[in-house]
Amino acid sequence: DVKVTQSSRYLVKRTGEKVFLECVQDMDHENMFWYRQDPGLGLRLIYFSYDVKMKEKGDIPEGYSVSREKKERFSLILESASTNQTSMYLCASTLGTSGRVDEQYFGPGTRLTVT
Amino acid sequence: AQTVTQSQPEMSVQEAETVTLSCTYDTSESNYYLFWYKQPPSRQMILVIRQEAYKQQNATENRFSVNFQKAAKSFSLKISDSQLGDTAMYFCAYGGATNKLIFGTGTLLAVQP
Repeated sequence: DVKVTQSSRYLVKRTGEKVFLECVQDMDHENMFWYRQDPGLGLRLIYFSYDVKMKEKGDIPEGYSVSREKKERFSLILESASTNQTSMYLCASTLGTSGRVDEQYFGPGTRLTVT
Repeated sequence: AQTVTQSQPEMSVQEAETVTLSCTYDTSESNYYLFWYKQPPSRQMILVIRQEAYKQQNATENRFSVNFQKAAKSFSLKISDSQLGDTAMYFCAYGGATNKLIFGTGTLLAVQP
């Protein structure tokens, strides 16, 4: 079974702090994704990565950056946390089969509160 | 740009009954995939069912089936013999040429005993 883990289930940070959210998958998946989930808005893509050291912006990248130094690990960074970044953050990964859209496997999520 | 619309924010069904969740999408692509994901309370999101657009036959997985109407761009999920464990947020998602998924806003389904 594919396992996607995230470093924290709950996190409370202060405005202006630098925040790191880590995601690790154990199935050698090529693609990894970071979403934020807000009530009434569904899941919105922040960043994604198709390969090590490769990243592309999603729909809402402002205020975020990412790092993928190893294939299994994809980190989301909030450079200076703000209250409007209070949200549930979900990480996902997919195999990356050419010519098809694979199932995404999700982590348990990190509920981040910025005060 | 592709869009996914779920017009039912919340639904309720009695245990053992059947419920249908609606999803419509918009796209100009000819080859794509559609998904239903389930997010139980405080648990991980998991795939319920997947449909490939070029397949005319509706996908089924045990008590879960879809009604895929390609011309109408409709992709509804039917849950038969509803169980308490089906209580969850359900998301419809579209995947096309970019390999990214576009999600709807979700439908919160409550199964009542």
